[in-house]
Amino acid sequence: DGGITQSPKYLFRKEGQNVTLSCEQNLNHDAMYWYRQDPGQGLRLIYYSQIVNDFQKGDIAEGYSVSREKKESFPLTVTSAQKNPTAFYLCASSPGQGSSDTQYFGPGTRLTVL
Amino acid sequence: GQQLNQSPQSMFIQEGEDVSMNCTSSSIFNTWLWYKQDPGEGPVLLIALYKAGELTSNGRLTAQFGITRKDSFLNISASIPSDVGIYFCAGHLGSWGKLQFGAGTQVVVTP
Repeated sequence: DGGITQSPKYLFRKEGQNVTLSCEQNLNHDAMYWYRQDPGQGLRLIYYSQIVNDFQKGDIAEGYSVSREKKESFPLTVTSAQKNPTAFYLCASSPGQGSSDTQYFGPGTRLTVL
Repeated sequence: GQQLNQSPQSMFIQEGEDVSMNCTSSSIFNTWLWYKQDPGEGPVLLIALYKAGELTSNGRLTAQFGITRKDSFLNISASIPSDVGIYFCAGHLGSWGKLQFGAGTQVVVTP
């Protein structure tokens, strides 16, 4: 059945280590997004990709990197340069067809840096 | 980035009561979206609005796209315990893709 999957659900890493979060969609959507959510706050955009092999920085891209080599996959790497990486990370996708574009979210990955 | 102004921040209501929340922006939006998020899960789309003045229902939920295109509201009628969660508004400023999000309304339903 169609949807967006993120793995793993929970991730623990030591400070100073890079970590990659997975996001896969089988909705045939062109656009994909990564958001960060901190407790009691809304969603902040990290990176987004409108098409394969292309991506743009969002509002809080520092300390993160992405790739978009396949339409269905948009992995996010949290690097050691990210000063406060512990957060809930959400991946989303959308058809990417104009102003009626609607985003659908995955179940999220909770990253804890020890 | 710019955040939408969403209110109230939280609501404590009794089962069976109606709930109303709204979002406002200083900018004109082309699309308004309402999501619900349960603890530890991703947001789930409830209602999408694409035209100014549009009024759309989804079961006990009703949402409207404001005439000025700068606001939207969400109503939940006859609340039940499973309505507990955080409700977010979001909108497109015009260029598709990038969404602006409200800070969320926490809804708590007591029996």
